[in-house]
Amino acid sequence: DAGITQSPRYKITETGRQVTLMCHQTWSHSYMFWYRQDLGHGLRLIYYSAAADITDKGEVPDGYVVSRSKTENFPLTLESATRSQTSVYFCASSQGSNTGELFFGEGSRLTVL
Amino acid sequence: RKEVEQDPGPFNVPEGATVAFNCTYSNSASQSFFWYRQDCRKEPKLLMSVYSSGNEDGRFTAQLNRASQYISLLIRDSKLSDSATYLCVVNLDTGRRALTFGSGTRLQVQP
Repeated sequence: DAGITQSPRYKITETGRQVTLMCHQTWSHSYMFWYRQDLGHGLRLIYYSAAADITDKGEVPDGYVVSRSKTENFPLTLESATRSQTSVYFCASSQGSNTGELFFGEGSRLTVL
Repeated sequence: RKEVEQDPGPFNVPEGATVAFNCTYSNSASQSFFWYRQDCRKEPKLLMSVYSSGNEDGRFTAQLNRASQYISLLIRDSKLSDSATYLCVVNLDTGRRALTFGSGTRLQVQP
């Protein structure tokens, strides 16, 4: 089915380990985004990408790395996971930066022990 | 001060009630405004855009007050299925080409 998919949906890891969350969309949307959602903070932007090979920091980029070698994929890597990175991570895509309609994946629930 | 602020609720209302949520934003140059809905443990989905003149979609009415920098969402004749968290979303026009989300207002419609 076309859409935006995230994997893994659930992940438990240990402090200091590297973790990569995958995001794949089939719409050929130019823009892709990574948000994290925590109680009391709502959704906060980590990184976004306007096109392949173009990425930019969001509100909370520290401790995360992204890449976008292909339009359809936008992986998020935690190079050395910390407990404060325990969260629900949502990937989203949109046709433009100002369209307002973001299409979200189902989320990846990450627990860092 | 948060860039987009919402009352977290919860708002507990009986079926058939009318309920309204407000949201304030910090940047007066903001151009685009939206309401998203998020069901428990699910991804957010666009509910409706908010236009300067106000707009309606069935039982839902959205309004924008630029002078006071707030937007509102009114739900009439609440249904059990309206129970969810409603997220206020703003393009803050800070140069970052992405949307900023409020923390959400939780609505629980009771039978």
